[in-house]
Amino acid sequence: QKEVEQDPGPLSVPEGAIVSLNCTYSNSAFQYFMWYRQYSRKGPELLMYTYSSGNKEDGRFTAQVDKSSKYISLFIRDSQPSDSATYLCAMSVGGSSYKLIFGSGTRLLVRP
Amino acid sequence: DGGITQSPKYLFRKEGQNVTLSCEQNLNHDAMYWYRQDPGQGLRLIYYSQIVNDFQKGDIAEGYSVSREKKESFPLTVTSAQKNPTAFYLCASSDRLNEQFFGPGTRLTVL
Repeated sequence: QKEVEQDPGPLSVPEGAIVSLNCTYSNSAFQYFMWYRQYSRKGPELLMYTYSSGNKEDGRFTAQVDKSSKYISLFIRDSQPSDSATYLCAMSVGGSSYKLIFGSGTRLLVRP
Repeated sequence: DGGITQSPKYLFRKEGQNVTLSCEQNLNHDAMYWYRQDPGQGLRLIYYSQIVNDFQKGDIAEGYSVSREKKESFPLTVTSAQKNPTAFYLCASSDRLNEQFFGPGTRLTVL
């Protein structure tokens, strides 16, 4: 079993829809949670960074962490065709550990 | 204009050849990382370095080598011992423990 599980998609939605992307994990020691957006043949771009449980909002993006369920989500409101990309979740135990554990990524397509 | 640069963008390697991928950052970050990405898979850590002149193996270090002689630079050598080197290679850096920023990547293909 992988430490971090993420549905590969593809997820296809119409423009303006609310998108929900999710990851589950098995290591209860994870404390730092990130979402990256990766366009085709480009490096990942950090979108959201969250510590411990709770919600964090940044414009059209909301990151949600539920440590009791070992489940994290990224919501995109009013989705745009430019949001079409692969979204990677990543997490870390923090402290002296520099290691990020990545999900395999979910490919999102927003149709005009 | 701060950021991470990787070169070349595309690289072709013949069987039995060593190749070196360049990674430079001007963000004044202490830590640097190398990842490998294969189609449909997440990023896997090859090597990382927290300070100059020190580096540690990641999860898939076999067939790779690195050096960290300068804070700004963290080159990766893919040796002939790496049996399946065709992949997308990503370099990252961070000044905090967990917030990593990535370069544009190098796509390596074995001919």
